[in-house]
Amino acid sequence: AAGVIQSPRHLIKEKRETATLKCYPIPRHDTVYWYQQGPGQDPQFLISFYEKMQSDKGSIPDRFSAQQFSDYHSELNMSSLELGDSALYFCASSLRWGQGFSGNTIYFGEGSWLTVV
Amino acid sequence: SQQGEEDPQALSIQEGENATMNCSYKTSINNLQWYRQNSGRGLVHLILIRSNEREKHSGRLRVTLDTSKKSSSLLITASRAADTASYFCATSAVLYNFNKFYFGSGTKLNVKP
Repeated sequence: AAGVIQSPRHLIKEKRETATLKCYPIPRHDTVYWYQQGPGQDPQFLISFYEKMQSDKGSIPDRFSAQQFSDYHSELNMSSLELGDSALYFCASSLRWGQGFSGNTIYFGEGSWLTVV
Repeated sequence: SQQGEEDPQALSIQEGENATMNCSYKTSINNLQWYRQNSGRGLVHLILIRSNEREKHSGRLRVTLDTSKKSSSLLITASRAADTASYFCATSAVLYNFNKFYFGSGTKLNVKP
């Protein structure tokens, strides 16, 4: 079965540069989530989109922005990169209305490793 | 973490033993999901338990949910070395018609062969 696809898998950038991560959700999933996981830490929710509109916002820095496109893929743009932005960035997708909310499983991609040097 | 705590933070057991991990959360939820993460890899969905369920089984996994205590436990029976990973619970709640999904802080399980 198709899974959540993220690209690139690995990215190395210098401080103050810009990076863009892409996420392709599972076909027919209408909700996309972005998470950041620093070394040895739990995943932190950044932002989510439903039907191309931002549905929730977590601890996403102002230097980051994201959007969901008409084909439901999403991009996370990170500018003025800092060393502390080095992390594993996960994208996840789900159906908003899966089984009346109570049963909508969220599926994760393999993540994109961002290293800022 | 953004939602709750898991305990223990780390657990080391021998192959064949059972492993129990606990998760507590703060807000009302629709469901709670457990994930496994091998080092540097993605999160693999293990099991989902709805807020109106108290116990669920899947293979060697047994999950319980106590909404009155806002806690859940994951039991892995007859553990194997391949079960070595970090385990996260994640809660799903609906707010303003949108699904909010947050992780606990994870338990690092080491199963020694």
